[in-house]
Amino acid sequence: KAGVTQTPRYLIKTRGQQVTLSCSPISGHRSVSWYQQTPGQGLQFLFEYFSETQRNKGNFPGRFSGRQFSNSRSEMNVSTLELGDSALYLCASSLAGEAGYTFGSGTRLTVV
Amino acid sequence: GDSVTQMEGPVTLSEEACLTINCTYTATGYPSLFWYVQYPGEGLQLLLKATKADDKGSNKGFEATYRKETTSFHLEKGSVQVSDSAVYFCALSDYSSASKIIFGSGTRLSIRP
Repeated sequence: KAGVTQTPRYLIKTRGQQVTLSCSPISGHRSVSWYQQTPGQGLQFLFEYFSETQRNKGNFPGRFSGRQFSNSRSEMNVSTLELGDSALYLCASSLAGEAGYTFGSGTRLTVV
Repeated sequence: GDSVTQMEGPVTLSEEACLTINCTYTATGYPSLFWYVQYPGEGLQLLLKATKADDKGSNKGFEATYRKETTSFHLEKGSVQVSDSAVYFCALSDYSSASKIIFGSGTRLSIRP
């Protein structure tokens, strides 16, 4: 079966713009989580959505937001981009939030 | 709060050598423990997991045992291959918040032919 699919794979944006990243979880998975990976901070949890509701949230500013649709697909939005937002953004899914999430290949965002 | 500490890299070994990557954790509850692997340009792949004390996770020749008394989850492999070259992340998640995975800083492993 198909894995976690993230689009686009690469993105270049200008400081001050906003961006939307998309994630399609494994079919049947209802929990979707987002992570930011940078060389300096490593992997950090952004938020989790389950059945269209945000269930957990990490320590990121309000510029980072997300949503989940009824088909479990999720989007992440970052507004007023800063240079420090340049990172690999990873999406992960699981059936119902149990241990052992499956990750996608990520979207590499570069802010110039 | 909960945290994961793993050995600094990079680690360079010759093919067929034995591998150990140390990982210790701090957690208030009873976490699940994981090893994830990241190949160049890719996302994370779950390598193995253990959900309770004394459990042993294993996959592709890699093993790790959940040691509650030493709060450790060391990754081991008896004979590494060039294809094992990657970055390895030790991680934990609390039973009440499995989606919020806390990762170690990662250990880069390079295997020489």
